[in-house]
Amino acid sequence: QSALTQPPSVSGSPGQSVTISCTGTSSDVGGYNYVSWYQQFPGKAPKLMIYDVNKRPSGVPDSFSGSKSGNTASLTISGLQAEDEADYYCCSFAGTFYVFGTGTKVTVL
Amino acid sequence: QLHLQESGPGLVKPSEALSLTCTVSGGSISSSDYFWGWIRQPPGKGPEWIGSVYYSGATFYKPSLTSRLTISVDTSKNQFSLRLTSVTAADTAIYYCVREYKGSSLADPWGQGTLVTVSS
Repeated sequence: QSALTQPPSVSGSPGQSVTISCTGTSSDVGGYNYVSWYQQFPGKAPKLMIYDVNKRPSGVPDSFSGSKSGNTASLTISGLQAEDEADYYCCSFAGTFYVFGTGTKVTVL
Repeated sequence: QLHLQESGPGLVKPSEALSLTCTVSGGSISSSDYFWGWIRQPPGKGPEWIGSVYYSGATFYKPSLTSRLTISVDTSKNQFSLRLTSVTAADTAIYYCVREYKGSSLADPWGQGTLVTVSS
């Protein structure tokens, strides 16, 4: 039941791309294509940005993309904008329950 | 459009039970396409999945909470509920209810969340 490992912070200049990693095990990230990513602003509920590794819900810009290789999932934000500055959490199915990541703060320089 | 709303006490004493209800509007909780889940987020920390329930009453819990947790569904009221016993300060969090799509990691929408503080 350990939390998935994310870098505490990543940063980039407007227009650049940033990638957030989410490392788990073969019992969660590596075992299922059920990885999701959430964006959260202070005082707000998390917002779903990616589900099932690489699918975007309606309304989420295509600047957000997801992928997975082995036990590590990744979220890439292309063409970084000021409004993308937020906390991001990954989440993975782990058999009979879900486990969240430790969270990453994205800073736009 | 589906809407979820949490309700329950905002303050619970240590060692007592925490009980919350999520009311679903704009759709039926009896759909076979969804699970209905609870997620909490302690102040300043990341989210934590707690558990979910199917309309049939089948439940899935976070393993470390199994001994203290009960999630139930009331299809007649279009509600599902959470009961967490023997609470401590570590259970202080914003509690969210959420619709989870069966066979997918899609969880949407979320309720607005309700802060529950465990304190004497």
